[in-house]
Amino acid sequence: DIQMTQSPSSLSASVGDRVTITCRASQSISTYLNWYQQKPGKAPKLLIYVASSLESGVPSRFSGSGSGTDFTLTISSLQPEDFATYYCQQSYSTPYTFGQGTKLEIK
Amino acid sequence: EVQLVESGGGLVQPGGSLRLSCVASGFTFSSYEMNWVRQAPGKGLEWVSCIGSSGGAIYYADSVKGRFTISRDNAKNSLYLQMNSLRAEDTGVYYCARNRNPEGFDYWGQGTLVTVSS
Repeated sequence: DIQMTQSPSSLSASVGDRVTITCRASQSISTYLNWYQQKPGKAPKLLIYVASSLESGVPSRFSGSGSGTDFTLTISSLQPEDFATYYCQQSYSTPYTFGQGTKLEIK
Repeated sequence: EVQLVESGGGLVQPGGSLRLSCVASGFTFSSYEMNWVRQAPGKGLEWVSCIGSSGGAIYYADSVKGRFTISRDNAKNSLYLQMNSLRAEDTGVYYCARNRNPEGFDYWGQGTLVTVSS
């Protein structure tokens, strides 16, 4: 199975900050990496697919990059509604493993 | 509008069974792989199982293999998860999700809570 490791596990930041979350796969997954945002009590929401493609309706301040084993999610200027938990997920092969999550909190 | 609506969750004793359902609308259900993902209280997302568009290509997480069975009825636009031999560690919110393979899970249901406790 492919293991996904996110860092950091939690992050404190302020509105307007630029934030980067990283995700590492235990083996190469090409660009089959997706990012989700989850707010408390809600279902996850797809933000970025195949590493760098922005899902329709997602603000352009979100961006993704990477290939192989190392990936990043960047939020260019944090907005109040961005404080949430973020997960990466590989779609290279089953089981479609998720990272452990990164909780983004207000500083 | 795409909608996924789960049902069937509840309180069950260890060793018991439960059947979850997910009814889809707003898209051609028979064209998509469907998945179950769960989330234990205060924990992260865990992929559980998937089933191909025509009902083949079924896969399970090791943690549920041999105890859970995924199925679908394309005529009823419905996805199911039969859960047997339930354990306390199966407690959590269960989501059904559409896979826009390989572009990720683009639609999710609201989730249904399963609690395994005596």
